[in-house]
Amino acid sequence: DTAVSQTPKYLVTQMGNDKSIKCEQNLGHDTMYWYKQDSKKFLKIMFSYNNKELIINETVPNRFSPKSPDKAHLNLHINSLELGDSAVYFCASSHRQATYEQYFGPGTRLTVT
Amino acid sequence: DAKTTQPTSMDCAEGRAANLPCNHSTISGNEYVYWYRQIHSQGPQYIIHGLKNNETNEMASLIITEDRKSSTLILPHATLRDTAVYYCIVRMYDKVIFGPGTSLSVIP
Repeated sequence: DTAVSQTPKYLVTQMGNDKSIKCEQNLGHDTMYWYKQDSKKFLKIMFSYNNKELIINETVPNRFSPKSPDKAHLNLHINSLELGDSAVYFCASSHRQATYEQYFGPGTRLTVT
Repeated sequence: DAKTTQPTSMDCAEGRAANLPCNHSTISGNEYVYWYRQIHSQGPQYIIHGLKNNETNEMASLIITEDRKSSTLILPHATLRDTAVYYCIVRMYDKVIFGPGTSLSVIP
């Protein structure tokens, strides 16, 4: 059973489009995250949700809107896609306490043309 | 959050121990030291973490200095599958800040 899953794995789209990436975890964790890894390979946290509440919101354009319908899901919706949004997006989950590790999904490679 | 510094890259012969250093001189008392690795373009994988004491699990050992300003991740018998980027992170609660990490190449 996959612990943290993301769909789709690859996403190619044109500038200006709106797209969503879905994430699901079956680990019973209460906290979920979205990270962006750009072409320079730096992993940057974007958002974090705990029990469906937003707890971390880094400096991310408001074209990016996370939505957590329940504790097991955290979806990322992106409006008006730009070339600079091309990256690999990773979802992760954990228990909130600092003593618990984060489990990452396989990533979604987004290419904006 | 405390920042970490790691060597950009390292090589290790297959079967030998790989010792990956990390400096975190501004770490605060309640921040944990975590290590993750990322193999090729896969999602990062948790390796080990610790607060003050040395830790060991089936993957690696973590040695933290007494002043907690640095640590070393030890892979006791490196294999080709351990070739990856290794990230040292200090963390309290939710926010995990990844640096550029150390690119470890295990050489046959």
